[in-house]
Amino acid sequence: SQQGEEDPQALSIQEGENATMNCSYKTSINNLQWYRQNSGRGLVHLILIRSNEREKHSGRLRVTLDTSKKSSSLLITASRAADTASYFCATSNFGNEKLTFGTGTRLTIIP
Amino acid sequence: KAGVTQTPRYLIKTRGQQVTLSCSPISGHRSVSWYQQTPGQGLQFLFEYFSETQRNKGNFPGRFSGRQFSNSRSEMNVSTLELGDSALYLCASSFSGGKDEKLFFGSGTQLSVL
Repeated sequence: SQQGEEDPQALSIQEGENATMNCSYKTSINNLQWYRQNSGRGLVHLILIRSNEREKHSGRLRVTLDTSKKSSSLLITASRAADTASYFCATSNFGNEKLTFGTGTRLTIIP
Repeated sequence: KAGVTQTPRYLIKTRGQQVTLSCSPISGHRSVSWYQQTPGQGLQFLFEYFSETQRNKGNFPGRFSGRQFSNSRSEMNVSTLELGDSALYLCASSFSGGKDEKLFFGSGTQLSVL
C-alpha cells in the first residue's frame, strides 16, 4: 500500500522554469526522502529531511516538510532537460524501518 | 565503488514457471531490499534482508521468497508465475538498513510473464 501520494501526477514545464511537486502522507514519520527515476531505470536518492527539520537545500533542490499537515514539497529551480524523470517521495515510519514510496510525479522539461 | 548490480536485466517467462532474480549490493552494504514496480500499483515493498535474515516483509503471497548469502548478495524467487507478476523488480542496498539511511538502487530486472 502507498503511504505517500504525489501531486500533480504529471507536470510539463519549459526549461529554465521552476518545478514544484508535493507529497502527502498518512502516518507519523521518522524522515522523508525524495528519489528520482529515469524511465525504466533504478531510483536515485536526492535528499532526506528528518521529521524535526522544516526545510533543506541541496544544489537546485529545496525540500520543505510540514508534519502538522503531513506534507512535503520538492522544488527544482532553473530546470534542465536532464531533470525529466519521475520523482517519488518515500517515508520511513516509527516502528517500521522499511521505506514506503508514493505514487510519483512525472516531470517533463520542454527544451 | 561499483553500484548495485541486478541480473538479468530482462526476463520473459510463461505462466506457471518460476524465476530467480539476483542482486549484488554495494560492497560493505549488508541490507538488501526488494521492491516491485508496476504502472498500476507503483513501488511495493517485498522484503528486506540483513545479515542473511529476513527482517521485514511486505504484503505479498508466499510465492514470493528471497534469501541473502553471507557475502550480502541476495536472490528473490517467484514460483508459479502469474500474468500480474509482470513488473520491474528493483533491488536496493544500504549499509545497515537504518531509518536515516538512503537506499542505493540497481537498474532493475524487467520481468514479463506471458
